[in-house]
Amino acid sequence: KQEVTQIPAALSVPEGENLVLNCSFTDSAIYNLQWFRQDPGKGLTSLLLIQSSQREQTSGRLNASLDKSSGRSTLYIAASQPGDSATYLCAVTSNSGYALNFGKGTSLLVTP
Amino acid sequence: EAQVTQNPRYLITVTGKKLTVTCSQNMNHEYMSWYRQDPGLGLRQIYYSMNVEVTDKGDVPEGYKVSRKEKRNFPLILESPSPNQTSLYFCASSLRGPTDTQYFGPGTRLTVL
Repeated sequence: KQEVTQIPAALSVPEGENLVLNCSFTDSAIYNLQWFRQDPGKGLTSLLLIQSSQREQTSGRLNASLDKSSGRSTLYIAASQPGDSATYLCAVTSNSGYALNFGKGTSLLVTP
Repeated sequence: EAQVTQNPRYLITVTGKKLTVTCSQNMNHEYMSWYRQDPGLGLRQIYYSMNVEVTDKGDVPEGYKVSRKEKRNFPLILESPSPNQTSLYFCASSLRGPTDTQYFGPGTRLTVL
């Protein structure tokens, strides 16, 4: 069964810092990987989707990379802002599955 | 506005009293799914549906039922709720399947006493 791990579980940084969130998965036979943002008491918002054949995807200040062979993905946030404070989750879809397997998330706090 | 809606958003009920949480999407998506989110356990899939009248179990289907009679609706039914079903529930949809971008509803916080 696919296991998805996110490290660290929580992170606090001052505004303006660049930061990296990590996601690892045990089965490299994935179709794609998605990064989501979850604000307290709200649903998930999809940030980036990386296909297994891609190495990275960018959206604004966000850059997600994928190394399928090593079972790792990173989410890079440039010039962090207090509005980036949220929980970030990664999810992988395996080639053989019909579901997303989620990590438990990294809770990010950006302080002014 | 393209969205996934869930009702109710908050619900407190008692053990054994049947309840339904509704989910509706207005994006003509074929794939819909239900998740529950619990502290320390993350998001786990309950049921999913690839299209009308096509549903299948996820990782934690026990105690839940679903139906997909219309493309836009995917209600979650708890026939006899128990306290271990106290959780935050999310409905999600996507164009064709789990490999597409997922759109999540706002969540339903359920407490079973």
